[in-house]
Amino acid sequence: KAGVTQTPRYLIKTRGQQVTLSCSPISGHRSVSWYQQTPGQGLQFLFEYFSETQRNKGNFPGRFSGRQFSNSRSEMNVSTLELGDSALYLCASSLAGSGFQETQYFGPGTRLLVL
Amino acid sequence: AQSVAQPEDQVNVAEGNPLTVKCTYSVSGNPYLFWYVQYPNRGLQFLLKYITGDNLVKGSYGFEAEFNKSQTSFHLKKPSALVSDSALYFCAVRDPRRGGGYQKVTFGTGTKLQVIP
Repeated sequence: KAGVTQTPRYLIKTRGQQVTLSCSPISGHRSVSWYQQTPGQGLQFLFEYFSETQRNKGNFPGRFSGRQFSNSRSEMNVSTLELGDSALYLCASSLAGSGFQETQYFGPGTRLLVL
Repeated sequence: AQSVAQPEDQVNVAEGNPLTVKCTYSVSGNPYLFWYVQYPNRGLQFLLKYITGDNLVKGSYGFEAEFNKSQTSFHLKKPSALVSDSALYFCAVRDPRRGGGYQKVTFGTGTKLQVIP
């Protein structure tokens, strides 16, 4: 079974631009979560989607948004990029329900650099 | 506010020796606790979790963790370390009670484990 895939793997943008990241969960998984990882702030939870609905959300500004499609694939969008948005963005999928009670499988991440 | 502390930035252990990576937490209710491992260029991998039940939780790759409510700790342990265990380890806590619709999930800052041959 294929693992969680994230595209693109690397991305360079400039301040003020917007970016869309994509995550394809493991086949059959319905829950997708997003995390931001930076050296200074560590790992921070962004949001979780299940059956096309946002179930949970972390403490990030409204510039960060996401969605999930009927095939469980998810996208994350960051508008008006800031230098501090440079990070590794990780996506994780789990089978169903509340992702945090179940085993989460992580993708390799998308490394975003904002110049 | 909930928090997770991993007091050691790095832990060094000789191959074959037991290892412990420490984690303490602070949360209002009964916590859900997790350990993840991050290998270089391989993303994050789930190791184990404590939701309820036995305080000793067994996970992947021979790791285990002990939930201690009185000490609010959830230390990760392995009886015999391997060089291949060298990686970055994260402890995480979730407060199952929601506040204002926001999911409270907090990760520790990570502990780098170095297993010396």
